[in-house]
This record gives sequence, structure tokens and C-alpha cells, in this order.
Amino acid sequence: QKEVEQNSGPLSVPEGAIASLNCTYSDRGSQSFFWYRQYSGKSPELIMFIYSNGDKEDGRFTAQLNKASQYVSLLIRDSQPSDSATYLCAVNPQGGKLIFGQGTELSVKP
Amino acid sequence: GAVVSQHPSWVICKSGTSVKIECRSLDFQATTMFWYRQFPKQSLMLMATSNEGSKATYEQGVEKDKFLINHASLTLSTLTVTSAHPEDSSFYICSAGAGQVGQPQHFGDGTRLSIL
Repeated sequence: QKEVEQNSGPLSVPEGAIASLNCTYSDRGSQSFFWYRQYSGKSPELIMFIYSNGDKEDGRFTAQLNKASQYVSLLIRDSQPSDSATYLCAVNPQGGKLIFGQGTELSVKP
Repeated sequence: GAVVSQHPSWVICKSGTSVKIECRSLDFQATTMFWYRQFPKQSLMLMATSNEGSKATYEQGVEKDKFLINHASLTLSTLTVTSAHPEDSSFYICSAGAGQVGQPQHFGDGTRLSIL
């Protein structure tokens, strides 16, 4: 079992819809959870981070964390074509290094 | 916000050449930086953890004599790909965190390395 798992996609949603990206992790001791966006040919860009169970909202983005289920998700409301990218889930089990999922490719169709 | 600068952005060189990539934290001090490699359509693979003033910690399968890491100051880490070959062609990215362990990491813009 991979330490951090994501559906590779592609996930296709129409413009204006809600995009839901999911991630599961294996280490129950994980404390920090991150979502990065990566455009093709570019380096990852931090979108959201969450430490506590529940929801955390920032503009059109909402991160959701459920430690009991070892599940973290990212919702993107009012999706725009510019949101089309690969979204990387990252978990910090211990220490400073991040464990990344393989990424979910999101395509927002105009 | 925390800014990480990486240089150069692109490198094209002949097989057998050694290539140095720099990673700088511009507005914060970073005792730890991370080096990743990413092949097309694949996720980030952590190569090593760069520790200021001490030896780097390499991930399993990464040749430390091939990928030399130096973290001589709190704002600069370098990765040298020694005697590079075409199979070393990849996208190399560094990251650093401004805060404590568990805080967000911020990435440099990456270096695309092409070995002919």
C-alpha cells in the first residue's frame, strides 16, 4: 500500500462546477497535510494546508480532514479553466519531509 | 510569503559534464532544504534532505556520490549532478520551509536538466 494515494484522473468538470479531489494516507501519526497545485512544466505551488479535523476554507478552496478515516480532500468551488492542473496531496508523517501522492490531473472545461 | 529561488532554470549539456544547481531561501533562513526529482507524468521523488552544516540524508536508491549536496549556509543549498548522463535528464526541484517541522514547504521554480 502506498503511503499517500490519490486517483490519478483525469478528473473533468465543467466550468463553474465543484471539483472534489481526494487523498488517503497510511500513517496514523501524520499531523500535517498539504495540497499543492502543479501546472505542466512548473514546480508545485502551495494551495492549502490543514492540521486539524474538519474544514478549512480559503476563497474558492476548502480542505477537509478526517484523521479517523485517514482521509483529506480538496474542494474547488466555481471551477475555472485556469484551475486545470495536477493537484498533489502531501502528508508530513514525522520530521520535516513530505510524502507526496502521485497527483490528480484536473481538467476544467469551458 | 516565503520565497525560494532556484538557479539555473534550464541546463543543456553534454554527457560526462557535472552540473551544479543552487537553491536559495530569499526571505528566511532554512536549516533544512529538500531536493526532488520529477520525471514526466510522474510525481515528485524525494532525493535527499539537505542539512545546514552537516551531511545530507539521502533516500534509498539515490547515489550520494552521484548527487553531491552542500548546505553551507542557512540560505543556500547546492545539488551537483556529477558526470551526468542522459538518464539523469529530469526536472530537479528544491524546497524549504520557513517555520518549524510540519510547516508548509515552498518550492523553487525547478531546474530542467537535459543531458545530450
